[in-house]
Amino acid sequence: DIQMTQSPSSLSASVGDRVTITCRASQSISNYLNWYQQKPGKAPKLLIYAASSLQSGVPSRFRGSRSGTDFTLTISSLQPEDFATYYCQQSYDTPLTFGGGTKVEIK
Amino acid sequence: EVQLVESGGGLVQPGGSLRLSCAASGFTFSNYAMSWVRQAPGKGLEWVSTISNSDTGGNTYYADSVKGRFTVSRDNSKNTLYLQMYSLRAEDTAVYYCAKRGYNWNDAFDYWGQGALVTVSP
Repeated sequence: DIQMTQSPSSLSASVGDRVTITCRASQSISNYLNWYQQKPGKAPKLLIYAASSLQSGVPSRFRGSRSGTDFTLTISSLQPEDFATYYCQQSYDTPLTFGGGTKVEIK
Repeated sequence: EVQLVESGGGLVQPGGSLRLSCAASGFTFSNYAMSWVRQAPGKGLEWVSTISNSDTGGNTYYADSVKGRFTVSRDNSKNTLYLQMYSLRAEDTAVYYCAKRGYNWNDAFDYWGQGALVTVSP
């Protein structure tokens, strides 16, 4: 199985901050890495697919990038509505696997 | 507008069975692979099962944690996805989401339902 190691597990940040979340795959997954945002009591929402493609309707402050088996989600200027938990997920092979999540909290 | 609406959740005793349904609308259901993803209380996301689209034969895939106990199926005439769960355990307690994949097999989950809570308890 492909393991997805996400870090940090939580972070505190202020509105306007630049936030970076990383996800490392245990083996090559090409670009098949997706990022989701989940708010309490709600379903996850797709933000970034194929490592760096912005899902329709998602603000451009969200950016995804890849370096080998390391993937990064960057929020360029954190907004109040961005406080949530973020998950990475590989869609390269079954079993599909998620990272452990990163909870972004208000400082 | 794509909509996925789960139903069938509830309280069940250990060893019991339950069937979840996911009614889909707003897209050509038969053309897309569909999945179930669950989330235990206070925990992260766990993929449960996927069924491929009709063009590829409706092949099914399962997480090891549910293999042999859960069965995924689809009725394209009713635009509905199912998850039949048998021999339920306490560790199956979770919110179960149905999720639509993109057109290609490696695509992300682009739409999710609101979730159905399954509680396994005496």
